[in-house]
Amino acid sequence: NAGVTQTPKFQVLKTGQSMTLQCAQDMNHNSMYWYRQDPGMGLRLIYYSASEGTTDKGEVPNGYNVSRLNKREFSLRLESAAPSQTSVYFCASSLVLSYEQYFGPGTRLTVT
Amino acid sequence: GENVGLHLPTLSVQEGDNSIINCAYSNSASDYFIWYKQESGKGPQFIIDIRSNMDKRQGQRVTVLLNKTVKHLSLQIAATQPGDSAVYFCAETRSSNYKLTFGKGTLLTVNP
Repeated sequence: NAGVTQTPKFQVLKTGQSMTLQCAQDMNHNSMYWYRQDPGMGLRLIYYSASEGTTDKGEVPNGYNVSRLNKREFSLRLESAAPSQTSVYFCASSLVLSYEQYFGPGTRLTVT
Repeated sequence: GENVGLHLPTLSVQEGDNSIINCAYSNSASDYFIWYKQESGKGPQFIIDIRSNMDKRQGQRVTVLLNKTVKHLSLQIAATQPGDSAVYFCAETRSSNYKLTFGKGTLLTVNP
């Protein structure tokens, strides 16, 4: 099993550009999450999906949208990127809504 | 607002020594605490958790201690190995929801 995979690994955007970060899991998990991690800080929850067909806001949802495409895939979209969105983005999944989450390798995003 | 924080941002130990990583929390409503390990360039990995009705829980080479009186959490790693070098995050949540609040992390460096 690959676990949780994320694409791309690295991305550089100009202010105002849009992009979608992709996440997929092959563990048959019901719940998926998107976090951002800024230097010297812990992870902060952006959005989550408790199960296929549902999404909810986390701690820092402004400037982002998500789509739970199917049980395996959960994407994060930046409609108009801002420098404040420069960060490392992690996708995670869990069997059900749980604190025991499995994380992907991350996407390092730079917005200039 | 309420938060989870760490006493020591960095910790350097000799291989074979025991390591202790500390964490303070301020949300008295939290009833679940978790430790994650993040190696360089990777996503966080679940290590161990503890419920608020417990004072101690042991895993393989790791022990988590919880002192609710002073709102303090610690992770003890026995016989620390070079592979233990990573950033360690504590996180807290309430069992009524799955949302994790992460601390800022402690960098553990193991010297051979």
